[in-house]
Amino acid sequence: AQTVTQSQPEMSVQEAETVTLSCTYDTSESDYYLFWYKQPPSRQMILVIRQEAYKQQNATENRFSVNFQKAAKSFSLKISDSQLGDAAMYFCAYRSTSGTYKYIFGTGTRLKVLA
Amino acid sequence: NAGVTQTPKFQVLKTGQSMTLQCAQDMNHNSMYWYRQDPGMGLRLIYYSASEGTTDKGEVPNGYNVSRLNKREFSLRLESAAPSQTSVYFCASSEAYRGRTIYFGEGSWLTVV
Repeated sequence: AQTVTQSQPEMSVQEAETVTLSCTYDTSESDYYLFWYKQPPSRQMILVIRQEAYKQQNATENRFSVNFQKAAKSFSLKISDSQLGDAAMYFCAYRSTSGTYKYIFGTGTRLKVLA
Repeated sequence: NAGVTQTPKFQVLKTGQSMTLQCAQDMNHNSMYWYRQDPGMGLRLIYYSASEGTTDKGEVPNGYNVSRLNKREFSLRLESAAPSQTSVYFCASSEAYRGRTIYFGEGSWLTVV
């Protein structure tokens, strides 16, 4: 069974600085998708970025980018020029491309942004 | 843009009472999910429905039942609520195809006393 691990329960970053959130996963599959979701205090789940495992190029979305290391099964999220609005819980998620279509989520990292 | 709609948003139950959480999506998605979120535990899958007419257990199905009423609706029932079921519940939906993004409802806060 696939698992997703986020080993940093909480992180802090100074406004305008860069922070990296870690995520590792375990799978025997070669084709899959990885996601980062943001959950602000409102509890709404917001897609931040998506990575397809068969693509070597790291995904980027404005100030958000990932470092996808397939062999190491690592999928970290880098937030550049951090803003106060980035403060939230961040979840890493895995989705298989076959079978049951389940999404597996990590336990989350709470990001605090300091003014 | 409604997306995924859950009701109720807040509910307080007494131990042993039953209730149903309702969920509907208007995006014509095949797959629907119920998750619970607890502090330090992240999002844990309770049940999911890959397509209309099918349901499967997730990671923490005990104490719950589900019904995929039609393509739009997927309900979660607590037959005899227990304090351990105090949680925030999220309904979600996605296309079944490969890596389609999952869309979440706003969550339902359930307290069992």
